[in-house]
Amino acid sequence: GAVVSQHPSRVICKSGTSVKIECRSLDFQATTMFWYRQFPKKSLMLMATSNEGSKATYEQGVEKDKFLINHASLTLSTLTVTSAHPEDSSFYICSATRESSYEQYFGPGTRLTVT
Amino acid sequence: GQSLEQPSEVTAVEGAIVQINCTYQTSGFYGLSWYQQHDGGAPTFLSYNALDGLEETGRFSSFLSRSDSYGYLLLQELQMKDSASYFCAVIDGNKLVFGAGTILRVKS
Repeated sequence: GAVVSQHPSRVICKSGTSVKIECRSLDFQATTMFWYRQFPKKSLMLMATSNEGSKATYEQGVEKDKFLINHASLTLSTLTVTSAHPEDSSFYICSATRESSYEQYFGPGTRLTVT
Repeated sequence: GQSLEQPSEVTAVEGAIVQINCTYQTSGFYGLSWYQQHDGGAPTFLSYNALDGLEETGRFSSFLSRSDSYGYLLLQELQMKDSASYFCAVIDGNKLVFGAGTILRVKS
């Protein structure tokens, strides 16, 4: 149990376009989902925390108008990178937790390349 | 501020024991977790310590000393497949704050 999927796994887009990444908990209801960004050989940086039905809480320095997060159901959260630029190229990973659990279950990540 | 420190790289041979240390300074603390991440893959949960002491799960053990703001991950009987990055992470409320990660290289 506790499987999290992400789609797409890889995406290449042109500068100025928007990209949507989906994160799904496949076999459990995720009370909270998290979005991280990871640069090569670096740590995971938390971008935002989202709870179903409410607005996401963004970490300091993360532009909420650029990284739109929607958590429409207990099994789906989406991250939309708007007007993408080459510096947005990165590995984006989501994770999800169950109610009253400390453990985060991570998705396989999405490699975004903006040309 | 929040900071976690762990060594950037560790190299060991197959069959050996290796310890990866983690010290932390965070505004909140509910526990210390360890995650493993292979190149290009997702982090996977290894262990969690909320209280002082040693937690053992198979070849992996994790230790926490809250008074020293210190913990470690102990890997025994190292195998080649253990080559990966290992992250300590402090649980602060419902968030995880990750360390920079330790690259473990296992040699034959």
